[in-house]
Amino acid sequence: EVQLVESGGDLVQPGESLRLSCAASGFAFSDYWMHWVCQAPGKGLVWVSRISTDETSTNYAESVKGRFTISRDNAKNTLYLQMNSLRVDDTAVYYCARSREGLRNAFDIWGQGTVVTVSS
Amino acid sequence: QSVLTQPPSASGTPGQRVTISCSGGSSNIGSNYVNWYQKLPGTAPKSVIYSNNQRPSGVPDRFSGSKSGTSASLAISGLQSGDEAVYYCSSWDASLKAVLFGGGTKLTVL
Repeated sequence: EVQLVESGGDLVQPGESLRLSCAASGFAFSDYWMHWVCQAPGKGLVWVSRISTDETSTNYAESVKGRFTISRDNAKNTLYLQMNSLRVDDTAVYYCARSREGLRNAFDIWGQGTVVTVSS
Repeated sequence: QSVLTQPPSASGTPGQRVTISCSGGSSNIGSNYVNWYQKLPGTAPKSVIYSNNQRPSGVPDRFSGSKSGTSASLAISGLQSGDEAVYYCSSWDASLKAVLFGGGTKLTVL
């Protein structure tokens, strides 16, 4: 079964760091671009970041540039999001998503999400 | 404030056809594919249309997508109660080098 499972969400204080993980199974992880998307409570979907198959290309939403870093370990079939200098408005459910084959920016498989809460 | 603009709400009765619009610009919808996602509370988003008008396997043909210039639309015919959800459009923006989502349209089946 094709599956993405996120983990690492937690309650942290402003300014702290957190690393999210997304474990992929059931497909050739190294063949697909991967993304992080979030949804704050009561708000809409917001794209966070994407990474190419070989990690040579990454892009970020303006709101997280310089604070978040996306990476992947193709040997471990795992996607990561290192989140530094967290702010209250980073509070959200974070989803990892797989790009559809041949299309870098259309998502066909999503994880169930992991909750990040930033509060003092 | 989203760069892709959707109406906040839409509604219809069972069996009706509804359309949801998504307006953007030349650097996103005007030059890139549009994708549509269905989001139910507490669940992961689900792809209902990709590459402007392609339906993923398993999505009923009641769902269709179109694009013209810098705007796109999602149409749902034969409306069913199970279609009640928030629908989001999405497109790559070549200037921002970012994926954009619309603000979402809450579809209510009356």
